[in-house]
Amino acid sequence: GEDVEQSLFLSVREGDSSVINCTYTDSSSTYLYWYKQEPGAGLQLLTYIFSNMDMKQDQRLTVLLNKKDKHLSLRIADTQTGDSAIYFCAETGRGSTLGRLYFGRGTQLTVWP
Amino acid sequence: GAGVSQTPSNKVTEKGKYVELRCDPISGHTALYWYRQSLGQGPEFLIYFQGTGAADDSGLPNDRFFAVRPEGSVSTLKIQRTERGDSAVYLCASARGTTGNEQFFGPGTRLTVL
Repeated sequence: GEDVEQSLFLSVREGDSSVINCTYTDSSSTYLYWYKQEPGAGLQLLTYIFSNMDMKQDQRLTVLLNKKDKHLSLRIADTQTGDSAIYFCAETGRGSTLGRLYFGRGTQLTVWP
Repeated sequence: GAGVSQTPSNKVTEKGKYVELRCDPISGHTALYWYRQSLGQGPEFLIYFQGTGAADDSGLPNDRFFAVRPEGSVSTLKIQRTERGDSAVYLCASARGTTGNEQFFGPGTRLTVL
């Protein structure tokens, strides 16, 4: 199956930028996603990028995609304490597994006041 | 409803028992997914439905797990002869279609097998 790798922990100070990194294995993935999970809550889609793009910006969020290195990153500008959560990178399957998502283990972001 | 709902929110059962977990998707969403999230892990795919049929059930770990969606809306995930290793949060998601359509997740059912 597909392998999505993420670093497990990231700590930043409030107001700083956060960068969460992800590597994936399937170069033919159509979409790549970032989800946020707060304690006791379900997953919330933050943003996604189509595989023919290399950057997408949405307010405080910037997604960078390097297809050659199969590297995806999420930058959160002006990080707030409310951004503390687990962030999951996910890729779509292909062929017979097209509908499913493959998730990484998640990066726990802690924002210090 | 406004979002995906799952019941119960918590389920504690004993090893060997049978459990059913329910998912109510967003109205009009034809695709429905079940994932399982163990502690410290990302969600792992179990099965997805397009309408009433299971389009891909290759993520179900063994034949103790079964899911249905008889009318193309509500889905039930059924686990027979539960084992301690089945303890996890079971997440349901729905989407308007498949590829490229956002999957909206429910809050999950936390299953604990004693």
